[in-house]
Amino acid sequence: SQTIHQWPATLVQPVGSPLSLECTVEGTSNPNLYWYRQAAGRGLQLLFYSVGIGQISSEVPQNLSASRPQDRQFILSSKKLLLSDSGFYLCAWSVGTSGSYDEQFFGPGTRLTVL
Amino acid sequence: AQSVTQPDIHITVSEGASLELRCNYSYGATPYLFWYVQSPGQGLQLLLKYFSGDTLVQGIKGFEAEFKRSQSSFNLRKPSVHWSDAAEYFCAVGARGYSTLTFGKGTMLLVSP
Repeated sequence: SQTIHQWPATLVQPVGSPLSLECTVEGTSNPNLYWYRQAAGRGLQLLFYSVGIGQISSEVPQNLSASRPQDRQFILSSKKLLLSDSGFYLCAWSVGTSGSYDEQFFGPGTRLTVL
Repeated sequence: AQSVTQPDIHITVSEGASLELRCNYSYGATPYLFWYVQSPGQGLQLLLKYFSGDTLVQGIKGFEAEFKRSQSSFNLRKPSVHWSDAAEYFCAVGARGYSTLTFGKGTMLLVSP
């Protein structure tokens, strides 16, 4: 069966510090991968998605970046965090089959607080 | 582009009462529709999905939803709510050929004793 992991679960970082959040998926190959952010009362905001290694699509211009160094690994990064980067970050995956679509499966999330 | 509206930010229902959460979407072709549930501090779990066929779909935990093309709606229902159903519910829309989903802003369900 497939599983998705995110770490860390909780993170408190000072403004201006770097960020690295990691997401890995097990039990599937060539998945589509997604990073979302949830801020209070704002629902889910899609930040990045990837349909393959090295292929990253950015949905929102900001000081965050994403990378996919391996097929089932997705990393969210920042060089300098802002207060507005605080939120709950969710990674998700879906079956990467051309011409079809299926649901997204979500990880447990990372709670980021920037002080 | 697709869009999703969940008009109710909060809903309070008495335990044992019926529930209906509203979802309206905007998309020109046949959409793929989903309902997810999120408990505090956790990820999202899929309740049910609609791709085609029977417009009344059954999901987990006793939930069902009905696709009404004429009303561009996909409302979630449950005949009898349990205290454990208290959570935030998200409706989402996708489309064939697209790799992403568009989510509504969510409806927080509170269950009173």
